[in-house]
Amino acid sequence: SYELTQPSSVSVSPGQTARITCSGDVLAKKYARWFQQKPGQAPVLVIYKDSERPSGIPERFSGSSSGTTVTLTISGAQVEDEADYYCYSAADNNVIFGGGTKLTVL
Amino acid sequence: EVQLVESGGDLVKPGGSLRLSCAASGFTFSNAWMSWVRQAPGKGLEWVGRIKSKTDGGTTDYAAPVKGRFTISRDDSKNTLYLQMNSLKTEDTAVYYCRSSSSDLDYWGQGTLVTVSS
Repeated sequence: SYELTQPSSVSVSPGQTARITCSGDVLAKKYARWFQQKPGQAPVLVIYKDSERPSGIPERFSGSSSGTTVTLTISGAQVEDEADYYCYSAADNNVIFGGGTKLTVL
Repeated sequence: EVQLVESGGDLVKPGGSLRLSCAASGFTFSNAWMSWVRQAPGKGLEWVGRIKSKTDGGTTDYAAPVKGRFTISRDDSKNTLYLQMNSLKTEDTAVYYCRSSSSDLDYWGQGTLVTVSS
């Protein structure tokens, strides 16, 4: 079965760049998405097709891909970006979420 | 505006059954692939399963932990998605989200809480 591996936590100071990685064999052949989830709220899509940003998502959010790893980058992280972030991919009728990364901005 | 509103969450005993509903509006429901995602308290997101649009075959796929116990269905005339859950286990306790996704869009409801406990 497929797996997606993320670091459990990442911490940055406001204004710094935060990078969250997601690794898995499926990422070599399938696109990834990134979701942001704040406490008590539903997830929100912030990146799709590895690097595309939905309308309404700030430009400081970007995505990249290399081999079996995708990276979510938040350039100039803001306090309001503090949240859990999940990567996601789908292949062969299987859908997988990464374990999630808690981003702390303080 | 796209809206997905889940309902039906409740407290149920192990071995019991429950049916969740998701009322959709603001998009062409019949063309959408719909799915259910759950989140146990304090844990990450877990895909439960999905149903394709009827034009794409209307078939369903399920995650291993729920296969054979859960059934996803849809009523396009009512713009409603369902999740029938049977033989519930304590580990099924979670917030259940309804989700509609396409190549470049992804909408989620606010979720409904299912608690399985004796």
